[in-house]
Amino acid sequence: SQKIEQNSEALNIQEGKTATLTCNYTNYSPAYLQWYRQDPGRGPVFLLLIRENEKEKRKERLKVTFDTTLKQSLFHITASQPADSATYLCGFTDNYGQNFVFGPGTRLSVLP
Amino acid sequence: EAGVAQSPRYKIIEKRQSVAFWCNPISGHATLYWYQQILGQGPKLLIQFQNNGVVDDSQLPKDRFSAERLKGVDSTLKIQPAKLEDSAVYLCASSSLNGNTIYFGEGSWLTVV
Repeated sequence: SQKIEQNSEALNIQEGKTATLTCNYTNYSPAYLQWYRQDPGRGPVFLLLIRENEKEKRKERLKVTFDTTLKQSLFHITASQPADSATYLCGFTDNYGQNFVFGPGTRLSVLP
Repeated sequence: EAGVAQSPRYKIIEKRQSVAFWCNPISGHATLYWYQQILGQGPKLLIQFQNNGVVDDSQLPKDRFSAERLKGVDSTLKIQPAKLEDSAVYLCASSSLNGNTIYFGEGSWLTVV
């Protein structure tokens, strides 16, 4: 069955450093990979999407990579700030917007 | 543009009671999803509609959960009878037809006591 793993339940880093979150998948060949941010008590908010034929996508301080050989995506937040503290979810879907599945999430804490 | 609307935001019920959640997707979005998110876990898909037809309900516990989207717009998710393990956040999301990004509502928090 499909399985999505995110590197750790929680990640603590110092303000100003780069946070790197990992998402690995098995038994799945996604066409699109998305990263979402979820704050406590709120619904997930879409951040970035990357296609299977793209290696890297950037948006402001965010960068996502997608390696279909390793079956892995890396999500980077550069110059991290305490306001970046949240849970980050990776999600996959196929070409038709079907079969939208999510990983368990990584809770990021950026310490001042 | 208005986002995905859900109600109620919070609900506390006793086990064996019933509860219903309502969702209004983003205008024009053909696909609607209901997810269950247990504390500390990622969202788990319960059911996916495209217009008013069911695309995937393989993980919906059909003995107690039901969902409908009669006119292809609003949707209702019902749980009857509720169990303690149904305590979770029920997230509604929507996307455009064949869209690859889904947009979530704020969720309906259910506590079963």
